[in-house]
Amino acid sequence: EVQLLESGGGLVQSGGSLRLSCAASGFTLSTYAMNWVRQAPGKGLEYVSGISGSGGNTYYAESVKGRFTISRDNSKNALFLQMDSLRADDTAVYYCAKSTVTWTKGVFDYWGQGTLVTVSS
Amino acid sequence: QSALTQPPSASGSPGQSVTISCTGTSSDIGAYNYVSWYQQHPGKAPKLMMYEVSKRPSGVPDRFSGSKSGNTASLTVSGLQAEDEADYYCSSYAGSNTFFVFGPGTKVTVL
Repeated sequence: EVQLLESGGGLVQSGGSLRLSCAASGFTLSTYAMNWVRQAPGKGLEYVSGISGSGGNTYYAESVKGRFTISRDNSKNALFLQMDSLRADDTAVYYCAKSTVTWTKGVFDYWGQGTLVTVSS
Repeated sequence: QSALTQPPSASGSPGQSVTISCTGTSSDIGAYNYVSWYQQHPGKAPKLMMYEVSKRPSGVPDRFSGSKSGNTASLTVSGLQAEDEADYYCSSYAGSNTFFVFGPGTKVTVL
């Protein structure tokens, strides 16, 4: 059974940093691209970042480019999101989402339960 | 502001059908058959309901169907049931620069 479990969220001051983790199980992590999608309170979904199965290719939304860094450790079945220079508008639930085999088809077939990041100004 | 456009709400009585539209541009929905739909119940993670416009993941009832015409994709829920009441989000691949875009979501209410 595929499971994704996020951790690392919490309350941080504006300008601070947080590192989110996503523990994956039930599948071979290196085969699939992985993604972070966030949802601000009461708002819709926003694609934040993604990384290919090998880790060699990454993508960042303009809103986080230069501040967030996505990485993965396939040997430890883990995905990470390092978030620096956090702003109030980064406040959201952050979901880890698994892609299907072809990353660009944009099919996120499994999602974690989410971790809440709150940035206070 | 979302790159894709969805109606904020839709509703129907049990057993009826409801169709949700998702309008993009020739750079996203119009360019690729990579439209997905996600269902989200309050306080829960999104769930994949449709992918590549009209393909249903295993376990999703055949009451759900998807289609696309030009720059607009649609999700139809036939035979509405109480458990279908949720928010529905469309998404599309939008090329190597923008990657993936989501719609703002449509709240489906079962009357």
